[in-house]
Amino acid sequence: NAGVTQTPKFRVLKTGQSMTLLCAQDMNHEYMYWYRQDPGMGLRLIHYSVGEGTTAKGEVPDGYNVSRLKKQNFLLGLESAAPSQTSVYFCASSGQGALYSNQPQHFGDGTRLSIL
Amino acid sequence: AQTVTQSQPEMSVQEAETVTLSCTYDTSENNYYLFWYKQPPSRQMILVIRQEAYKQQNATENRFSVNFQKAAKSFSLKISDSQLGDTAMYFCAFMDNNAGNMLTFGGGTRLMVKP
Repeated sequence: NAGVTQTPKFRVLKTGQSMTLLCAQDMNHEYMYWYRQDPGMGLRLIHYSVGEGTTAKGEVPDGYNVSRLKKQNFLLGLESAAPSQTSVYFCASSGQGALYSNQPQHFGDGTRLSIL
Repeated sequence: AQTVTQSQPEMSVQEAETVTLSCTYDTSENNYYLFWYKQPPSRQMILVIRQEAYKQQNATENRFSVNFQKAAKSFSLKISDSQLGDTAMYFCAFMDNNAGNMLTFGGGTRLMVKP
């Protein structure tokens, strides 16, 4: 059981380039999330989705777009990368009844993104 | 919106000793959940312990326990018999009962366990 898989694990971009981070989960979870973690800081929510075809803004959405065309996938896009977007990006998923389970959210292993 | 504050950016403890990490939060909700996550250098997010706000009894998981003070909106983590493997970033997190199961994280405390 793979859980939450993020692709790629590491990437270097030049300012102005675009890219898409892919998150895939195999647990049939309704909810999916994208966070960013800057050095020495906690995770901040970028965007989230409460179901296939739906997305919503989180705490720090500027400069990012997302799509959830399939229930198992949640894509995070950077249209024009900026050095301020250098960070580690985490995807997570959560299902109905997660509050009563051992895991409120299942996390991927993170993507380290550097923008020069 | 909820906020979670961890006032100790870094802490250290001698192996086998006890350490307490602090967390305070602000919310207008009455039903919510609190968590402590551990993040080792591998970057994995590992759930350490959870507390339901409607439960008065403090949660305990082996060497980890919490001191939950609902009126004071305080949620501290105590690690007993600290081990070298406890060295990590620790994050306090809040989740309310609203749709979406969203987590709000504190800024983290870097814990170093010294031999």
